[in-house]
Amino acid sequence: GQQLNQSPQSMFIQEGEDVSMNCTSSSIFNTWLWYKQDPGEGPVLLIALYKAGELTSNGRLTAQFGITRKDSFLNISASIPSDVGIYFCAGGKTGANNLFFGTGTRLTVIP
Amino acid sequence: GAVVSQHPSWVICKSGTSVKIECRSLDFQATTMFWYRQFPKQSLMLMATSNEGSKATYEQGVEKDKFLINHASLTLSTLTVTSAHPEDSSFYICSARDPPLDLHFGNGTRLTVT
Repeated sequence: GQQLNQSPQSMFIQEGEDVSMNCTSSSIFNTWLWYKQDPGEGPVLLIALYKAGELTSNGRLTAQFGITRKDSFLNISASIPSDVGIYFCAGGKTGANNLFFGTGTRLTVIP
Repeated sequence: GAVVSQHPSWVICKSGTSVKIECRSLDFQATTMFWYRQFPKQSLMLMATSNEGSKATYEQGVEKDKFLINHASLTLSTLTVTSAHPEDSSFYICSARDPPLDLHFGNGTRLTVT
């Protein structure tokens, strides 16, 4: 199935630094969601975006739905060790039941 | 918030046996559930869409006779890996839709076939 281009593929950052990752697609999506997956567990929904241009925060996390509806980004401010994990973006289309997933960004936070 | 429970968390079975994995939506009704397979360091690969009261829709390349899906109620979908082989060893994850479009995932099942 279709996959979204997510970058970077992996990141190593110092604790306290901010993180930014993005997701792009060649097609338009009506919904963007961001998930975090810890090793051996299922993805957990972080933020859901429903309108182009929408900017939504969840604690230290901020995500935006790109105005073209073909991209989205996720920022994490003041990273902490428990932010370690794999972050996936996912796009949804009207009339389609499933989501299309990004390739994932593996985040490592160095204490 | 919405919770999806997946059971078991991990299972080890012998080659040739069948394994059933359950996916339950605990505080909402899900007419549609999804089953994914995830290989190490890779993204989720959609295997099939499970529809309550009707046949599942399988993605291209997924054998429906090998991966049997049953969605008998609005809160339960099961995936049965029949005649499992070592190459079926993987991390299987289910998800359920909490309207309008939020998708919540189970914690996954690590299957090891020896």
